[in-house]
Amino acid sequence: TQLLEQSPQFLSIQEGENLTVYCNSSSVFSSLQWYRQEPGEGPVLLVTVVTGGEVKKLKRLTFQFGDARKDSSLHITAAQPGDTGLYLCAGAPYATDSWGKLQFGSGTQVVVTP
Amino acid sequence: DAGITQSPRYKITETGRQVTLMCHQTWSHSYMFWYRQDLGHGLRLIYYSAAADITDKGEVPDGYVVSRSKTENFPLTLESATRSQTSVYFCASSDLTDEQFFGPGTRLTVL
Repeated sequence: TQLLEQSPQFLSIQEGENLTVYCNSSSVFSSLQWYRQEPGEGPVLLVTVVTGGEVKKLKRLTFQFGDARKDSSLHITAAQPGDTGLYLCAGAPYATDSWGKLQFGSGTQVVVTP
Repeated sequence: DAGITQSPRYKITETGRQVTLMCHQTWSHSYMFWYRQDLGHGLRLIYYSAAADITDKGEVPDGYVVSRSKTENFPLTLESATRSQTSVYFCASSDLTDEQFFGPGTRLTVL
């Protein structure tokens, strides 16, 4: 099992502040995804990063895939209450018999208060 | 309605009973997945299916059975429920990309 560790587990900040969530592994992944989950709902995909060193921006969210394809980060600029949720990273393994079998991190609960 | 649905949304059962959780998707996605979500463990894969009549075990398959006779349905059965199977269960589907689309979840309590 390829373990993905997320840190911190919980993050509480004020509206307008910045935050960064980390996702680390000792294993290499072919791609890495970030999902956001709101209470009572299933996770929803935010982004997929595929290339080592890749940086993707979605409005105030910036995602980075490590050069070695073992880690990733999610940075939110000027957080808003609507950013509140559980953020999950998920790695796609290289093994051909593991297609689709994403390895999920344990999640980071983000709370943004007005 | 289009999308992926799960039923029931909430279920309370007793130890030893058989329980079946339903999952239905309207996209004709080839791949379907069952996960359980527990505090501190994130999402753990129970079973997955690459196509109708093709299923395989995930990380935590013990105590669960799946079937997939039709592309759109992927039921998960707990043959004899145990308290350790109290969890939130998510079904997901995917086409030939890595993106998985999740259902709203079923909260199962085993007393």
